Amino acid sequence: SQQGEEDPQALSIQEGENATMNCSYKTSINNLQWYRQNSGRGLVHLILIRSNEREKHSGRLRVTLDTSKKSSSLLITASRAADTASYFCATDGRSGNTPLVFGKGTRLSVIA
Amino acid sequence: DTGVSQDPRHKITKRGQNVTFRCDPISEHNRLYWYRQTLGQGPEFLTYFQNEAQLEKSRLLSDRFSAERPKGSFSTLEIQRTEQGDSAMYLCASSREGRARGNEQFFGPGTRLTVL
Repeated sequence: SQQGEEDPQALSIQEGENATMNCSYKTSINNLQWYRQNSGRGLVHLILIRSNEREKHSGRLRVTLDTSKKSSSLLITASRAADTASYFCATDGRSGNTPLVFGKGTRLSVIA
Repeated sequence: DTGVSQDPRHKITKRGQNVTFRCDPISEHNRLYWYRQTLGQGPEFLTYFQNEAQLEKSRLLSDRFSAERPKGSFSTLEIQRTEQGDSAMYLCASSREGRARGNEQFFGPGTRLTVL
């Protein structure tokens, strides 16, 4: 079963705008990761944030983690048409190195 | 290209037939995972290996499914007596064990199975 939910399920924005996606999960975690998936393809790892971290940046990506609320957010700044994809959060168990549990994803459309 | 590879990329079969998929992980990765993804959903865990040992199997893995990783390198996933409900994308991922690495998994392109 899915660990949690991404919100919104779908998001459509204009190129240059920022996109924010949220993820909630149910159990204690060791790490939380965000992945991107282009239509019909495999997943690409974007960023990992550990349970003792609150914020992390990678290029145009900013991830926050609030373990008290069991939630995370992914911000993509200055979006581009190439960012159009589905975005998934994934969590592992407290022991780490366990199979990932994915949410249902947010489908992002960036309109040029 | 030293990423995770999967073969075939697409498979169309008739209900009741057996199918086998192959996954070649990144060479230095000792963990290999199989996931299944249906349309509009996130990937769901099926099973994983550490080296040649199958460490965990999901309840999704019915007795028609079997996975092997005989030499701790490539893995195969076989589905016997396929059903239409087996139609999905089957994803393979690999990772290198170690808490410092945080369990980042590298995914292959997937095998899309269609059961007619």
